[in-house]
Amino acid sequence: AQSVTQPDIHITVSEGASLELRCNYSYGATPYLFWYVQSPGQGLQLLLKYFSGDTLVQGIKGFEAEFKRSQSSFNLRKPSVHWSDAAEYFCAVGAGGANNLFFGTGTRLTVIP
Amino acid sequence: GAVVSQHPSWVICKSGTSVKIECRSLDFQATTMFWYRQFPKQSLMLMATSNEGSKATYEQGVEKDKFLINHASLTLSTLTVTSAHPEDSSFYICSARSQVYSNQPQHFGDGTRLSIL
Repeated sequence: AQSVTQPDIHITVSEGASLELRCNYSYGATPYLFWYVQSPGQGLQLLLKYFSGDTLVQGIKGFEAEFKRSQSSFNLRKPSVHWSDAAEYFCAVGAGGANNLFFGTGTRLTVIP
Repeated sequence: GAVVSQHPSWVICKSGTSVKIECRSLDFQATTMFWYRQFPKQSLMLMATSNEGSKATYEQGVEKDKFLINHASLTLSTLTVTSAHPEDSSFYICSARSQVYSNQPQHFGDGTRLSIL
């Protein structure tokens, strides 16, 4: 069965510092992987996705993620965090494409001045 | 591109009433739409998947007579919570996807906060 684990419930970083949010997945075949961001009281915005090809994926707002098959991971990174990046971040794995998404429990990012 | 509009964003109603939530894809044809429920500080739980012109497929444990889904066109899906009760209070989010190309992701609406008194 497919599953997604985001081991960090809450992360606090200083503005300008680098960021890495962890995501581990379990899926029997080649996964479709996604990172979404959710601001309070709003829906989800797609940051980036991995379907195939280059394992380092560039997304919007300066985010990138790297797919590591050997570690079953798809960690999200940003070299310099901005205060506007404070939000909830969800990693998701698509079983059989982008139709059946399984979400992790999310990581809440707090950015301090 | 790939904008999904969800309406209303917030609704408060009395117990026993029915509430309809609309989900529209504004600039693409959504062959498949999805309805999720999110409890406070939790992840999204898929309720059902609907394909245009056919009946929705509900996830296990979701009452299809309680949560009526209609996907009558390629740009509109509706979720009706029938005879709503306080335990139905939640944040409901829709998403839409075009299957014209296999690598299209789901695009999400801004959600509807439903409060049943």
